[in-house]
Amino acid sequence: AQTVTQSQPEMSVQEAETVTLSCTYDTSESNYYLFWYKQPPSRQMILVIRQEAYKQQNATENRFSVNFQKAAKSFSLKISDSQLGDTAMYFCAFMNRDDKIIFGKGTRLHILP
Amino acid sequence: ETGVTQSPTHLIKTRGQQVTLRCSSQSGHNTVSWYQQALGQGPQFIFQYYREEENGRGNFPPRFSGLQFPNYSSELNVNALELDDSALYLCASRTRGAHGYTFGSGTRLTVV
Repeated sequence: AQTVTQSQPEMSVQEAETVTLSCTYDTSESNYYLFWYKQPPSRQMILVIRQEAYKQQNATENRFSVNFQKAAKSFSLKISDSQLGDTAMYFCAFMNRDDKIIFGKGTRLHILP
Repeated sequence: ETGVTQSPTHLIKTRGQQVTLRCSSQSGHNTVSWYQQALGQGPQFIFQYYREEENGRGNFPPRFSGLQFPNYSSELNVNALELDDSALYLCASRTRGAHGYTFGSGTRLTVV
């Protein structure tokens, strides 16, 4: 079975600090996509960053970067210079060969002023 | 881009009733997926449609059904509602082969 595990249900950091959200996954597939989605109180799932499994280089999007360790099946998200607007639920997700997205249970991130 | 829009935003139904949720896909997107997100959980895959045909289904009973129309808008129908069906229902669309989905803001369904 393909699973995504987020071991941190909730985290709090001060504004401007750096925070890392952890994610591990399990799959027997060799080619797949990994995502981090942000879900603010508005409920819309917003794509933060995407990683293609066949690319060794870690993806980055402005203040957001990932540490992708394929052999360890680990996919952590680092948020630098955190801002109040980063407060949200963050979901790690995996897209399999059937184009189905499998989500973790999420990490609730609070950015404190 | 028009984005993905869902209606209604909130809905209250009685146990045993039927409900239809609607989704208007982003322009040019021919694949749509539906997800159920229970409170405090990650979204769970219900099913996916491509060019009006179902081409993938998660672990949901047959009382969850769907349709996709020629303009790529879609519906999620749930019959014989149960209290556990209370959740946020998310619609997501993409162009087939694209590497990610665009999500709507969801419909919050409460079954009483």
